Amino acid sequence: SSELTQDPAVSVALGQTVRITCQGDSLRSYYASWYQQKPGQAPVLVIYGKNNRPSGIPDRFSGSSSGNTASLTITGAQAEDEADYYCNSRDSSGNPSYVFGTGTKVTVL
Amino acid sequence: QVQLQESGPGLVKPSQTLSLTCTVSGGSISSGSYYWSWIRQPAGKGLEWIGRIYTSGSTNYNPSLKSRVTISVDTSKNQFSLKLSSVTAADTAVYYCARYVSQHWDAFDIWGQGTMVTVSS
Repeated sequence: SSELTQDPAVSVALGQTVRITCQGDSLRSYYASWYQQKPGQAPVLVIYGKNNRPSGIPDRFSGSSSGNTASLTITGAQAEDEADYYCNSRDSSGNPSYVFGTGTKVTVL
Repeated sequence: QVQLQESGPGLVKPSQTLSLTCTVSGGSISSGSYYWSWIRQPAGKGLEWIGRIYTSGSTNYNPSLKSRVTISVDTSKNQFSLKLSSVTAADTAVYYCARYVSQHWDAFDIWGQGTMVTVSS
């Protein structure tokens, strides 16, 4: 099955910009979706498709994709953005299934 | 607004079958083009997709768990369920149910709060 790889951790100064990347072969065929997960809480969808935000998600969150890499950018990071972030896409190996990335811990300094 | 709620035993003995139910409220499980999924997360680790079911009853499973997983749906109760057989300590995790929107979204847009399941004797 496919795999999606993310950097384990990144840090960003309050108000600055951070980009989280997700790499995998499936991203050449499918868009990634992105989820924010705070401690003890269920994941929350923040980006889907080419670059779409569900209702209620701040516009400082944006997504992009190129080749086998998808990116989530937080422009003007806030303290409440400190969380784990996971990418997800369909599996491109032929199985009708889904795969999650390894996750990135974002620390806002 | 659609909400999902997991329920089931929090403790399961090794080699037994883990059984969980997800109740959908605020909307019909049969409406729209949605897949209903189970996802799990061991403590301190990442998310793992377990499987999905469409309201027609069609299922797909994670190949790594396929031999032990059964997902079913009861549209009359607006519920779908997970059974995972022959569990071991490695199956200890928080189990989430989630709705997957395939048309235009390709994303899990609604999640339950999760339920912790521990496999231990």
